[in-house]
Amino acid sequence: AQSVTQPDIHITVSEGASLELRCNYSYGATPYLFWYVQSPGQGLQLLLKYFSGDTLVQGIKGFEAEFKRSQSSFNLRKPSVHWSDAAEYFCAVGFFGNEKLTFGTGTRLTIIP
Amino acid sequence: SAVISQKPSRDICQRGTSLTIQCQVDSQVTMMFWYRQQPGQSLTLIATANQGSEATYESGFVIDKFPISRPNLTFSTLTVSNMSPEDSSIYLCSVSDSSGANVLTFGAGSRLTVL
Repeated sequence: AQSVTQPDIHITVSEGASLELRCNYSYGATPYLFWYVQSPGQGLQLLLKYFSGDTLVQGIKGFEAEFKRSQSSFNLRKPSVHWSDAAEYFCAVGFFGNEKLTFGTGTRLTIIP
Repeated sequence: SAVISQKPSRDICQRGTSLTIQCQVDSQVTMMFWYRQQPGQSLTLIATANQGSEATYESGFVIDKFPISRPNLTFSTLTVSNMSPEDSSIYLCSVSDSSGANVLTFGAGSRLTVL
């Protein structure tokens, strides 16, 4: 079945530590890939996107993500997290010609001092 | 990016009543999308609203329960009808961003609690 999966429901990391959030997809074709962040009480903000080309994409707030076709993955990374990064992170997929997005179940990130 | 304003930001409603959520965009957009985010869940697309035509609903969502209006290129409403506690959710309006295809900009959402 076609799906986008975020295996980690909740992750806790220490401030200053590195972060990796996982996203896997299961589609016949390579979709467009996105990471959004939702801070408490806020709407969703786009962190970064991948359409084609360079498989390592840079986003806002110091985030990056790497597309790995062989693993059907698009993992989000940050070398050093800040307390303000505590939020819910959603991976999403879309396809050319269809502007709807399908979202993963989300990963809640908690930052501890 | 477009700026989206949603009203109300939150509301507490009684079972059996209906509530209309408004979505105002600061620029003209072709498609507007309504998503639902149930407590602790991801976002699920309810429907796509194009100006001048009926909304297109996703599987599991029907017009009688979630009527949508799209009177012009900057405005849309979503009504949640005959509400039950299961309708307690955040409802988000989104539009395609001018920066690229498939990039969505979201409003802050409308958090509904049904008692």
